[in-house]
Amino acid sequence: DTAVSQTPKYLVTQMGNDKSIKCEQNLGHDTMYWYKQDSKKFLKIMFSYNNKELIINETVPNRFSPKSPDKAHLNLHINSLELGDSAVYFCASSQDFGTGVYNEQFFGPGTRLTVL
Amino acid sequence: RKEVEQDPGPFNVPEGATVAFNCTYSNSASQSFFWYRQDCRKEPKLLMSVYSSGNEDGRFTAQLNRASQYISLLIRDSKLSDSATYLCVVGGGGSSNTGKLIFGQGTTLQVKP
Repeated sequence: DTAVSQTPKYLVTQMGNDKSIKCEQNLGHDTMYWYKQDSKKFLKIMFSYNNKELIINETVPNRFSPKSPDKAHLNLHINSLELGDSAVYFCASSQDFGTGVYNEQFFGPGTRLTVL
Repeated sequence: RKEVEQDPGPFNVPEGATVAFNCTYSNSASQSFFWYRQDCRKEPKLLMSVYSSGNEDGRFTAQLNRASQYISLLIRDSKLSDSATYLCVVGGGGSSNTGKLIFGQGTTLQVKP
């Protein structure tokens, strides 16, 4: 059973389109995250939610909008896609928020987004 | 200056070698430290947390030097399966602990037969 799952795994789309990526975790965790890993391999936090409440909202374009319908799901909607949005997007979850050594973050397999 | 800096490598070593990776971080108020491992085209996975007193897990030893803001990972008796990118990760350091982790660029290790 996959602990953190994302769909789709690959997404190829044209500039200007709107797309969504879905994430689900079955670990019973309260906190979920979205990360972006660019071509230089830097992994950067975009958003986090704790029990459906927004906790972290990094400086990302407002074309990116996360939605958490319940604590097991965190989706990412992207409007008006741009070439620079091409990256791998990882969802993650942890028991709660906080960076204690007890609070391991578990990552999904990633969604490879290519904008043409 | 990057918040977490690592030498990207690659480090090419023979099987059985001992290899060390280093990492520096800029925020002296950081509170938690980790090494994650990322295989090619896969997700990152926690390798080990790093404690102030240093800690060991089998062939892996992690050290933290808060005064120098420096973290290290030592791998002894390298195996082919150790080939991966090792990400230095630092957390906390803000006025509220929101769970924000800062990832280094990663150091790539290639173990050769």
